[in-house]
Amino acid sequence: AQSVAQPEDQVNVAEGNPLTVKCTYSVSGNPYLFWYVQYPNRGLQFLLKYITGDNLVKGSYGFEAEFNKSQTSFHLKKPSALVSDSALYFCAVRGYSGGGADGLTFGKGTHLIIQP
Amino acid sequence: EAQVTQNPRYLITVTGKKLTVTCSQNMNHEYMSWYRQDPGLGLRQIYYSMNVEVTDKGDVPEGYKVSRKEKRNFPLILESPSPNQTSLYFCASSPTGIQGRNYGYTFGSGTRLTVV
Repeated sequence: AQSVAQPEDQVNVAEGNPLTVKCTYSVSGNPYLFWYVQYPNRGLQFLLKYITGDNLVKGSYGFEAEFNKSQTSFHLKKPSALVSDSALYFCAVRGYSGGGADGLTFGKGTHLIIQP
Repeated sequence: EAQVTQNPRYLITVTGKKLTVTCSQNMNHEYMSWYRQDPGLGLRQIYYSMNVEVTDKGDVPEGYKVSRKEKRNFPLILESPSPNQTSLYFCASSPTGIQGRNYGYTFGSGTRLTVV
């Protein structure tokens, strides 16, 4: 069974500083990894994904994520945080069992709070 | 515009009164799924469907029913709602097969359900 862990319920960062939101995963076979963001009273928006290729993936709003196969991690990063980045972030993994793509499994989410 | 449409956005109901939350997608996706989101628990899958007339339980199916009579629609039915089903619900869709592994989900905007 596939699983995702987001070890931090909340991450606090000062505006302008770099941010990291951690994610580790477990899946059989090659991982297909995703980050979603949820702003208050909104649905989930796609940020970025890792399928194959470069370990550093760039996405929306200046976010990027680093895939590390040996550590089974997919941490979300941004070089300079904005107050508007404050939101709930979800990491997700999708397995592929040969018979078709499996469902997405989500982590519990990390609240990112950017302080002015 | 490619989208997943959920209705209603907000619903307050009383214990035991049957209700249906509708979900429709216009992308011809085979895979559809329902999640509930609760604080500290992330997104948990209720039911999913790989195609018409093919549905299966997710992680938290108790108290819910679904049907998939048409490819575009995947309604969530609460036959006898209880207060512990008060939650934020999301419908999502995706391709399957080889195409599916490159694809996350397209989410609906969510339905906030309160059962009193």
